[in-house]
Amino acid sequence: GENVEQHPSTLSVQEGDSAVIKCTYSDSASNYFPWYKQELGKRPQLIIDIRSNVGEKKDQRIAVTLNKTAKHFSLHITETQPEDSAVYFCAASISTASKLTFGTGTRLQVML
Amino acid sequence: GAVVSQHPSRVICKSGTSVKIECRSLDFQATTMFWYRQFPKQSLMLMATSNEGSKATYEQGVEKDKFLINHASLTLSTLTVTSAHPEDSSFYICSAGGADGYTFGSGTRLTVV
Repeated sequence: GENVEQHPSTLSVQEGDSAVIKCTYSDSASNYFPWYKQELGKRPQLIIDIRSNVGEKKDQRIAVTLNKTAKHFSLHITETQPEDSAVYFCAASISTASKLTFGTGTRLQVML
Repeated sequence: GAVVSQHPSRVICKSGTSVKIECRSLDFQATTMFWYRQFPKQSLMLMATSNEGSKATYEQGVEKDKFLINHASLTLSTLTVTSAHPEDSSFYICSAGGADGYTFGSGTRLTVV
């Protein structure tokens, strides 16, 4: 089955700096790659997603890149703000009708 | 957008008792629902996939007789933790997939004492 690895496990940045989180996946059949932000005790919140027919997607300060050949995808957050502090998960699935496999998570701390 | 309602949000039960968690799709029909468990400071681990009108598919290592899943209608899936023990204390969350992605329930914090 699918295996998703995520790095780093923790990341501290100064406010205004950029943050990058990287994930690799194992199943070449995976086509959907969402990123979630999760606050303590809450449901995961989708922040951006990308499908395999696209190499990059951007939404304001957030961008995701996908390299299907290398089977890795990355989340980029620019101009970080304290409210960006949370746990971020990458995930992968064959389709949105299929089971979703999560990465191990990255705890991002944005320092003032 | 799509909404999945999950209840209860928190439950405390005694060891040996059973607890039922419900997930309802409010404005769409979910033929498939995914159930996850999340221990503190860990990731969401898929437990099983519930299929409307048929048996659930369990992930390796998940005891199907302990975690009973029922998906009797297109809008309701339930997870029953039977003979709960303290090690079953965790955050349980359901999810349904759709054309625009996955919709998650709000989660259930189970504490077994």
